[in-house]
Amino acid sequence: DTAVSQTPKYLVTQMGNDKSIKCEQNLGHDTMYWYKQDSKKFLKIMFSYNNKELIINETVPNRFSPKSPDKAHLNLHINSLELGDSAVYFCASSLIGTSLLYEQYFGPGTRLTVT
Amino acid sequence: DAKTTQPNSMESNEEEPVHLPCNHSTISGTDYIHWYRQLPSQGPEYVIHGLTSNVNNRMASLAIAEDRKSSTLILHRATLRDAAVYYCIRGGLNSGGSNYKLTFGKGTLLTVNP
Repeated sequence: DTAVSQTPKYLVTQMGNDKSIKCEQNLGHDTMYWYKQDSKKFLKIMFSYNNKELIINETVPNRFSPKSPDKAHLNLHINSLELGDSAVYFCASSLIGTSLLYEQYFGPGTRLTVT
Repeated sequence: DAKTTQPNSMESNEEEPVHLPCNHSTISGTDYIHWYRQLPSQGPEYVIHGLTSNVNNRMASLAIAEDRKSSTLILHRATLRDAAVYYCIRGGLNSGGSNYKLTFGKGTLLTVNP
């Protein structure tokens, strides 16, 4: 059974479009995250939700909006896509988000290419 | 700011031990040391974490210096599957700051030769 799953795995779209990436975890965790890994391979946290409540919001353009319908899902919606949004986006989850003592489980990633 | 320093790359031979160093000279008393690794085309995965004492699990061992300014991740017998980028991260409890976030640095790219 896949612990953290993301769809789609690949997403190719044009500038200006709006797209969503879905994430689901079946681990019963309270906290979910979105990370972005750019072309230089730097991996950086974007958002964190704990029980559907936003607890981390890094300096991310407001074109990016996370949506958490329930604690097992954290979707990422991106408006007006730009070339610089091209990256691999990873979803992750952990039992408790305010302590790194609870390991984070990462999904397989979604490679977004904006043309 | 990852606040840890690691070599950019290391190389090892299959079935030999690998020692991956990490420097965290400004670590606070409440910060743990965490290691994650990222295999090619996959998401990061947890390896191990510790505070002061050396730690062992099925994947690796973590040796922490007495002054906690450095640590070493030890893979006892490297396999080809261990080829990955290894990230050393400091952080722990939410002490009102942001040290409970996983802040990834550049990591160490480990190459394992057959």
